[in-house]
Amino acid sequence: AQSVTQLDSQVPVFEEAPVELRCNYSSSVSVYLFWYVQYPNQGLQLLLKYLSGSTLVESINGFEAEFNKSQTSFHLRKPSVHISDTAEYFCAVTTNTDKLIFGTGTRLQVFP
Amino acid sequence: EAGVAQSPRYKIIEKRQSVAFWCNPISGHATLYWYQQILGQGPKLLIQFQNNGVVDDSQLPKDRFSAERLKGVDSTLKIQPAKLEDSAVYLCASSFGGADTQYFGPGTRLTVL
Repeated sequence: AQSVTQLDSQVPVFEEAPVELRCNYSSSVSVYLFWYVQYPNQGLQLLLKYLSGSTLVESINGFEAEFNKSQTSFHLRKPSVHISDTAEYFCAVTTNTDKLIFGTGTRLQVFP
Repeated sequence: EAGVAQSPRYKIIEKRQSVAFWCNPISGHATLYWYQQILGQGPKLLIQFQNNGVVDDSQLPKDRFSAERLKGVDSTLKIQPAKLEDSAVYLCASSFGGADTQYFGPGTRLTVL
């Protein structure tokens, strides 16, 4: 069975500082990995995903994540955050089925 | 393109009452999912439909929860009778299936008193 661990429940950071949200997964087979973002009172939105190919994937708003098979990680990074990035971020994993397994989430709080 | 629609957005009921949620997926999406998101946790899959057939309902508490997807489009999720621990946000998502992106609706926040 697959599982996802997001070690940090909350990450406070000042505006324009870099940030890393950590995600580790456990699986005995090949996986597909996702990061979803949830803004207050809204549903989840896909931020980026790794299916195959380049291990570095990017989103349109400056986030990136790198698939590291040896460390079973898919950490999310952004070199300079904005106030508008304040949200809950969820890492998720699936295998050759489409059943998503989510982590418990990391609340990113950006301060001015 | 219209997104996944859900209603109602909020619902408050007393324990032992019944409640129903409605979901309209993105047009053309064959696969529909219902998730339960308890405060402080990630979403947990309750049931997955492929067209109007159930693919996975292994985590659906079948003694009180039921779901249907008549005609392979809209879906309803029902809880009867509700318990305090059912307080959560119920999310509906849809996709073309496989590893295709799942698109989520805004959710229904259920409070059971």
